[in-house]
Amino acid sequence: EVQLVESGGGLVQPGGSLRLSCAASGFTFSSYWMSWVRQAPGKGLEWVANMKQDGSDKYFVDSVKGRFTISRDNAKNSLYLQMNSLRVEDTAVYYCAREVWDDYSYNWFDPWGQGTLVTVSS
Amino acid sequence: DIQMTQSPSSLSASVGDRVTITCRASQSISSYLNWYQQKPGKAPILLIYAASSLQTGVPSRFSGSGSGTDFTLTISSLQPEDFATYYCQQSYSTPRTFGQGTKVEIK
Repeated sequence: EVQLVESGGGLVQPGGSLRLSCAASGFTFSSYWMSWVRQAPGKGLEWVANMKQDGSDKYFVDSVKGRFTISRDNAKNSLYLQMNSLRVEDTAVYYCAREVWDDYSYNWFDPWGQGTLVTVSS
Repeated sequence: DIQMTQSPSSLSASVGDRVTITCRASQSISSYLNWYQQKPGKAPILLIYAASSLQTGVPSRFSGSGSGTDFTLTISSLQPEDFATYYCQQSYSTPRTFGQGTKVEIK
């Protein structure tokens, strides 16, 4: 069974740091782009960042550039999100998601993990 | 960035109703459009990819159509388990962007 399990969320003060982890199982992790998507309480979905299979390419939404970094360890089947200089507006459930690409470059997120809650508050 | 706009933001419907949700992109995205369903406290699940392809395991009452800038998700006969929030998402360019969501509620 394909599964993604996030961890590392919690309460942090504004300006603080947190590192999220996503453990993958049931598929060849090193063959897929991976993404982080977040959802603020009661709000919609916002894509945050993604990383190519070998880590050579990575992209971020403008609101987190310079503060968040994404990394992966293919030997450990794990994806990470290092979040620095956290702001109140970063409060959200953070999901990791596998990106599936077909031969025509269509791509989608499937599956998603259960999410981990990050709360930024003093 | 490509803006995705869904309509309506919410709707009330009865079991057995035909439901249509619309998603509009701020520029042409060909068929790079996906639909997700999310229930309260749960992660989103993929329903439709590439505008009209049904994900394996998703009931056939769900269908998607459209290309360019205008897309539609249709539920042919609403079932009790379909009450949820639905999101469209473009995969044409980075940053990936989502519509604001459409909440389908019981009438």
